[in-house]
Amino acid sequence: AQSVTQLDSQVPVFEEAPVELRCNYSSSVSVYLFWYVQYPNQGLQLLLKYLSGSTLVKGINGFEAEFNKSQTSFHLRKPSVHISDTAEYFCAVSDRDDKIIFGKGTRLHILP
Amino acid sequence: NAGVTQTPKFQVLKTGQSMTLQCAQDMNHEYMSWYRQDPGMGLRLIHYSVGAGITDQGEVPNGYNVSRSTTEDFPLRLLSAAPSQTSVYFCASSRTGTGNQPQHFGDGTRLSIL
Repeated sequence: AQSVTQLDSQVPVFEEAPVELRCNYSSSVSVYLFWYVQYPNQGLQLLLKYLSGSTLVKGINGFEAEFNKSQTSFHLRKPSVHISDTAEYFCAVSDRDDKIIFGKGTRLHILP
Repeated sequence: NAGVTQTPKFQVLKTGQSMTLQCAQDMNHEYMSWYRQDPGMGLRLIHYSVGAGITDQGEVPNGYNVSRSTTEDFPLRLLSAAPSQTSVYFCASSRTGTGNQPQHFGDGTRLSIL
């Protein structure tokens, strides 16, 4: 069975600084990986996904993530954050036939 | 596009009461699911459905019931509400139940049980 670990529950970062949100997964088979974003009082929205192919995946709002099979990681990055990026971010994993499993989330706080 | 619509947005119940959380999607998606979100716990799967007439249990199904009589609708029933069911509930759908499909979420129902 898969599992997902988001190593940081909260990440503070200054506006216009770079950010990395960490995600590690465990699975015995090939996986699909996702990052979702949740703005206050809203549902989750898909940020980006890795299904196969290039290990560097670009998503919406300037975010990107890199799939690293040897380290079983799928960290999310943005080179310069804005106040509008304040949200909670969820990493998720699934395999071909199984249910999607979500991490516990990382709250991104943008400091002025 | 309406996407995934959940009603009500807020609800307060007394212990022991029953209620139904509604979820509808207009994307002709086969797969629908219910999650609960609690602080520090992420999203936990309650029940899911891979198509009309088919439902199955997720990680935390106790105290909840579902049915899927149409492709569009997937209501979640609380049989006898308990304070431990105070949570934010999200309905989600995807084109199919295979793992490579991204989930489309509703805006949630915030439920308080007194």
